[in-house]
Amino acid sequence: GNSVTQMEGPVTLSEEAFLTINCTYTATGYPSLFWYVQYPGEGLQLLLKATKADDKGSNKGFEATYRKETTSFHLEKGSVQVSDSAVYFCALRGGGRRALTFGSGTRLQVQP
Amino acid sequence: DTGVSQDPRHKITKRGQNVTFRCDPISEHNRLYWYRQTLGQGPEFLTYFQNEAQLEKSRLLSDRFSAERPKGSFSTLEIQRTEQGDSAMYLCASSYATGPEPGQPQHFGDGTRLSIL
Repeated sequence: GNSVTQMEGPVTLSEEAFLTINCTYTATGYPSLFWYVQYPGEGLQLLLKATKADDKGSNKGFEATYRKETTSFHLEKGSVQVSDSAVYFCALRGGGRRALTFGSGTRLQVQP
Repeated sequence: DTGVSQDPRHKITKRGQNVTFRCDPISEHNRLYWYRQTLGQGPEFLTYFQNEAQLEKSRLLSDRFSAERPKGSFSTLEIQRTEQGDSAMYLCASSYATGPEPGQPQHFGDGTRLSIL
């Protein structure tokens, strides 16, 4: 079946530091991959997506590249801000299913 | 676009009681999903509708759970005889798709937090 593995948090960084949150997946075929973000007290928001191998999704300075050879979709940002503090979820949709399969989430804390 | 709306935001009830949650999807979205999220975990799929048809149910959805989408618009999720283990955030999401294709990404509501005393 489908599964997503994310690095455990919390990840604590200083403002303007470089961010990487690792995500690897298991799925049959060619899934679509997503990063969702959950700010404190709010619902899940789609951050970025990629639907085929070597696609790069990007939004708000965040990027992730669909790597089929390593079954990975790592999230990166060159310079984080305090306002990026949130929980980040990697997710996939595939294997003939319409529902999303989520990782367990990674909490990011950015300190001024 | 008013987003996905869920009601209530919080529900506190005693063990053994029945509860019902409502979800209003984005108006033009024909697909509606229910997920459950427990503390420190990612959302887990419960069930999915395309228009009024319930097309998939997770094994997590025991016989105490029932979901409906009678007119293909809003949906309700009912839990009967609630148990301590039902305490969680219940999330609703919606999307638009034509035919069997995966369609557009899912948009989530803010969820209903259920606490069982």
